[in-house]
Amino acid sequence: QVQLQESGPGLVKPSETLSLTCSVSGGSISSGSCYWSWIRQPAGKGLEWIGRMHTSGSTNYNPSLKSRVTISVDTSKNQISLKLSSVTAADTAMYYCARAAILGANNAFDLWGQGTMVTVSS
Amino acid sequence: QSVLTQPPSASGTPGQRVTISCSGSYSNIGSNNVYWYQQLPGTAPKLLIYRNDQRPSGVPDRFSGSKSGTSASLAISGLRSEDEADYYCAAWDDSLGGHVVFGGGTKLTVL
Repeated sequence: QVQLQESGPGLVKPSETLSLTCSVSGGSISSGSCYWSWIRQPAGKGLEWIGRMHTSGSTNYNPSLKSRVTISVDTSKNQISLKLSSVTAADTAMYYCARAAILGANNAFDLWGQGTMVTVSS
Repeated sequence: QSVLTQPPSASGTPGQRVTISCSGSYSNIGSNNVYWYQQLPGTAPKLLIYRNDQRPSGVPDRFSGSKSGTSASLAISGLRSEDEADYYCAAWDDSLGGHVVFGGGTKLTVL
């Protein structure tokens, strides 16, 4: 079955760019019609949606992060990437990638990766 | 401060029925579907309810969702110890170009 695996540096310096990758296994990232999202969760706090990309290539971003976020897809590598620029300590969190593939339920995240912890510190 | 409002905590004893509320506004719950997620300690969230009241395969029918106006609820009947987790509601919000919003989460304790 399809599985998601996030990866990337666990430590990023303030003002730098956070770059994460979500590798999709067991299925093609471009098959069907689904949304690929990034969601984060600071330790002990709630979930925050960062943004998403549809298999068509369209994107939507959280307005509060939009100026700093880029989500893209590399179909040749079957990967989704996240770039978050000018990071601060407030960006320290567990970062999840998630898929929404239920027909007619564009925001039903039915598959999640295990998450990757990112700490912003000098 | 989350766009969707949930009680920070809820509790019940085994076998009881508990409900968790989620309050929003016209731009999110009032106009769009509600989703519920369960997050067990140390794990990624899991989809419990989609499109207000639909359960993915594998989710027990002890879990049910409902929506009315700008509010939604998750009900858990026949409470079990393994239901102890954080629960989050979510919805699409049409404002500012559209984005997903989450509730702050409700920590459910099984006494």
